[in-house]
Amino acid sequence: NAGVTQTPKFQVLKTGQSMTLQCAQDMNHNSMYWYRQDPGMGLRLIYYSASEGTTDKGEVPNGYNVSRLNKREFSLRLESAAPSQTSVYFCASTEGGKLFFGSGTQLSVL
Amino acid sequence: QKEVEQNSGPLSVPEGAIASLNCTYSDRGSQSFFWYRQYSGKSPELIMSIYSNGDKEDGRFTAQLNKASQYVSLLIRDSQPSDSATYLCAALITDKLIFGTGTRLQVFP
Repeated sequence: NAGVTQTPKFQVLKTGQSMTLQCAQDMNHNSMYWYRQDPGMGLRLIYYSASEGTTDKGEVPNGYNVSRLNKREFSLRLESAAPSQTSVYFCASTEGGKLFFGSGTQLSVL
Repeated sequence: QKEVEQNSGPLSVPEGAIASLNCTYSDRGSQSFFWYRQYSGKSPELIMSIYSNGDKEDGRFTAQLNKASQYVSLLIRDSQPSDSATYLCAALITDKLIFGTGTRLQVFP
């Protein structure tokens, strides 16, 4: 089993560009999350989806949109990237609080 | 105020000592708590979960929960250099898993 697959692993954007981070899980989990991690800030929740067809804002949703395409896939979109969105992004899926993380996306916005 | 708070450290302990990591949370309704370990450049991995007041032991790790005081702790006995990592505390608040900022642990030989 692949677990949680997250793409791309690295990305460099210019300010104002858009991109979508893809995430897919094969564990049949209902809940999926997107976090960002900045030095000294821990993991901050951007958006989450408790089940297929539902999405909710987390701690830092501004500048992001999400789509829960089906039970397996949960994508994160940056419509107009800003330097403040330079970070490492993690997708995760869970049942009951045990998170399974993807390998992360290192995003730089210049 | 963050919903889950941790001292960022670093916490330095000698090999073989007990490392004590602490976490407080603000939502009294939280019922489930987790400790994750993250090595530099890697994804976090779950090491302990705790749901009831008291202690829960798993090998060299003991998680402690005190709901009245709203704190969670993690004890690592016989600390090893391989335990050097960032330890993240997390609380399940409604259906959101919220993390603290993490405590960096350094175990020196």
